[in-house]
Amino acid sequence: SQTIHQWPATLVQPVGSPLSLECTVEGTSNPNLYWYRQAAGRGLQLLFYSVGIGQISSEVPQNLSASRPQDRQFILSSKKLLLSDSGFYLCAWTLQRVVRFGPGTRLTVT
Amino acid sequence: SQQGEEDPQALSIQEGENATMNCSYKTSINNLQWYRQNSGRGLVHLILIRSNEREKHSGRLRVTLDTSKKSSSLLITASRAADTASYFCATVIIQGAQKLVFGQGTRLTINP
Repeated sequence: SQTIHQWPATLVQPVGSPLSLECTVEGTSNPNLYWYRQAAGRGLQLLFYSVGIGQISSEVPQNLSASRPQDRQFILSSKKLLLSDSGFYLCAWTLQRVVRFGPGTRLTVT
Repeated sequence: SQQGEEDPQALSIQEGENATMNCSYKTSINNLQWYRQNSGRGLVHLILIRSNEREKHSGRLRVTLDTSKKSSSLLITASRAADTASYFCATVIIQGAQKLVFGQGTRLTINP
């Protein structure tokens, strides 16, 4: 069966520090991968998606970036965090229709 | 940009009652999906309804889709305390890849 892993579960970082969140999927090949962000009490905003290794599409302009160095690995990064980057970050994957989500990383920028 | 808009934003009912949540969207869709999110957790997929379907059932869940009105509803029958969560509709758009566009969600509270 397929599983999706995200780490860390929680993260507290100062403004201006770098960020690296990692997501891996097991039990499938060549999935579409996604990064979503959820602000407190709000819906989910699609940040990036990837249809293959090295292929990244950005949905909104921001100081975040994403990379897919391996088929089942998706990384969200930032060189310098802003206060507004605080939120709940969710990685997701799909092969056909249903999108499955990871457990999420709660990021607090102080 | 947000595509789906859930209504109401918050709903509080007694255990055993039925809960109905609505979702409206703006553009043509491939399918529509409903998700549940317990506080501070990831999203759990509940049900998918294709654009050519009008109604779908899964256990105590019933989803309807009206593409002419660009709206969907989620009915939870015989609610339980464990149903307390936020519920999101997500419309699926195919643009290079399948993308889910979420609404703001409905916060459902089931009172024992």
